[in-house]
This record gives sequence, structure tokens and C-alpha cells, in this order.
Amino acid sequence: QVTLKESGPALVKPTQTLTLTCTFSGFSLSSSGMRVGWIRQPPGKGLEWLARIDWDDDKFYSTSLKTRLTISKDTSKNQVVLTMTNMDPVDTATYYCGRVAVGLNFDSWGQGALVTVSS
Amino acid sequence: QTVVTQEPSFSVSPGGTVTLTCGLSSGSVSTSYSPSWYQQTPGQAPRTLIYSTNTRSSGVPDRFSGSILGNKAALTITGAQADDESDYYCLLYMTGGISLFGGGTKLTVL
Repeated sequence: QVTLKESGPALVKPTQTLTLTCTFSGFSLSSSGMRVGWIRQPPGKGLEWLARIDWDDDKFYSTSLKTRLTISKDTSKNQVVLTMTNMDPVDTATYYCGRVAVGLNFDSWGQGALVTVSS
Repeated sequence: QTVVTQEPSFSVSPGGTVTLTCGLSSGSVSTSYSPSWYQQTPGQAPRTLIYSTNTRSSGVPDRFSGSILGNKAALTITGAQADDESDYYCLLYMTGGISLFGGGTKLTVL
């Protein structure tokens, strides 16, 4: 059974750096074809794709956010970490991680973590 | 920058059929974009419905189907039920390895 869970601060101040961790089980990110991605959803708004990391350490970022995002993995801990710099109140959102299947769709999702940016 | 387009809202009668679409601000959607569809109800994580254009995810009722219609990806719900009232999002795999979500369609069943 594949499970994913996001963790990180619920509140960050403007200009701070957000660090979110996705801890997963049921698969290994060192196995060929495995991928994990991050998505966010501001309150009352739609989904936004943020970043993806692949089993071979290839990394892909949203065009509009790539200067602020870094994604990394720790295969020994079954974790993927997303950092976002220079946080702003508009970055207030629920952040989800998900496993990305061979078809490049998300096939399993975490429960989401609400992050509020406020001074 | 390319935008993925979806109808903001749609309404369907119980038992009716509705087709939601997923297009591009520039160009046509084809199977190479590996379109996938997700259903989301308030307060819940998205649920994967369709991937690789037309493959139903495990446990998804066969009243949900995916296709390419003209220059767009499409999600068709045949025999809509009250609990199909949700937000629906498409996801496209773009050149360069990134993906983009559409803005979502709020489906009302009434």
C-alpha cells in the first residue's frame, strides 16, 4: 500500500524559507520509473503543479516558481523535501505531495498540509 | 506561457451525460500530453480518475471515461450521480518535463 504524508510548519513569516517534507511508504524512489511531485492549492482556488523529482535525480520545476523552488530526495529515509524561498502571503495554500506514475499522472496523494504565510 | 483551459463550471441533471474538456491556450492536446483527470471535493485531497488519456484508475466507476475530442482532452460522465458533484481538474505533461493543471471545472448535479 502506497502512502504519503506532508509535514512542515503551519505558519511562516513573509520572506522566510518554507521547508516541507514528504514521507512515503510502499515504494522506493531509487527504483527505476519512480517519481514524486508537489502540488499546492490556495484556499478556494485550483491546483498548481510545483515540482517533480525522478528516481534518477532528474528535477523539474514550475516555470513561474523555479527560481524559488528546490526539490531533493533522501532515498534512505523515503523522503522528498521541497524548499520555497522568499515566502509571501499569496503562497498561503495547502501543499500536497504525490507519487507520479509511469503515465506521469499522480496515482497516490498525501493528505495535504496547510501553510499560512503571515507576519 | 501556455495555459491549460477548462470550463469554469458545468451543470448536469441526475442521470444525464456531461463532457468536460481540457485544452491549451496555444495548440492542440494529444495523447502525447498524457492527460489525466482528478476529482476533488471540498476539504479532501484530489482523487485520480483517468490517466494516459483514457485509462480508469483502480476503483473508478465505468461511468467516467476519457478521450481526445477534437483538439482537447475530454472527461465524460455518463449517468451522472449526485455524488459526482465536485471539482474536476485535468493535468497535462508538457515539453521539458513539467506538468500543468487546468483551472478546474466545478460540476453541479441538479
